[in-house]
Amino acid sequence: GAVVSQHPSRVICKSGTSVKIECRSLDFQATTMFWYRQFPKQSLMLMATSNEGSKATYEQGVEKDKFLINHASLTLSTLTVTSAHPEDSSFYICSARAVGGPYEQYFGPGTRLTVT
Amino acid sequence: GIQVEQSPPDLILQEGANSTLRCNFSDSVNNLQWFHQNPWGQLINLFYIPSGTKQNGRLSATTVATERYSLLYISSSQTTDSGVYFCAVALGNDMRFGAGTRLTVKP
Repeated sequence: GAVVSQHPSRVICKSGTSVKIECRSLDFQATTMFWYRQFPKQSLMLMATSNEGSKATYEQGVEKDKFLINHASLTLSTLTVTSAHPEDSSFYICSARAVGGPYEQYFGPGTRLTVT
Repeated sequence: GIQVEQSPPDLILQEGANSTLRCNFSDSVNNLQWFHQNPWGQLINLFYIPSGTKQNGRLSATTVATERYSLLYISSSQTTDSGVYFCAVALGNDMRFGAGTRLTVKP
């Protein structure tokens, strides 16, 4: 149980275009979902926290107009990287907390974004 | 925010050896998780252990919340244990990851 999926697993896009990444909790409902970013050889950094039906909370230094987050249902959150640039190339990982569950977060497999 | 320190940063072992990875954190937490990141980047959840001791096969973990540290034990290490081990802690939703321990197990 507690499976989180992400789509796509890998995406290459041209500079200036937008890319949408989906995060789904497959066998549980998640009131809260999280987005992380990981650069090569580095640790994961929390980008934003999203609650179903409300606006996401962004960490300091993360541009909310560039990284649009939508958490429209209890099983789906999306991250859209708008006007992507090469410096946005990174590994993006989502996680989710189960409704009524412990504080444990379940992580997706990640999406590798390359902007050319 | 909460500070998380992991040690050692790098660890090289011979197959069959035991090891202990440490995670220190700066504040009270209600979530502590240990992960193994595989070569494809996926985080494998090893333990959810905000306090107490748990064991799963060759792996075990102990968190002493009052002293703000956690230990991950790997016994009889195998080459497939190689990779990066992360400790992550949170108070509520604000999860912070340590810098990781890169483990290399040699045959």
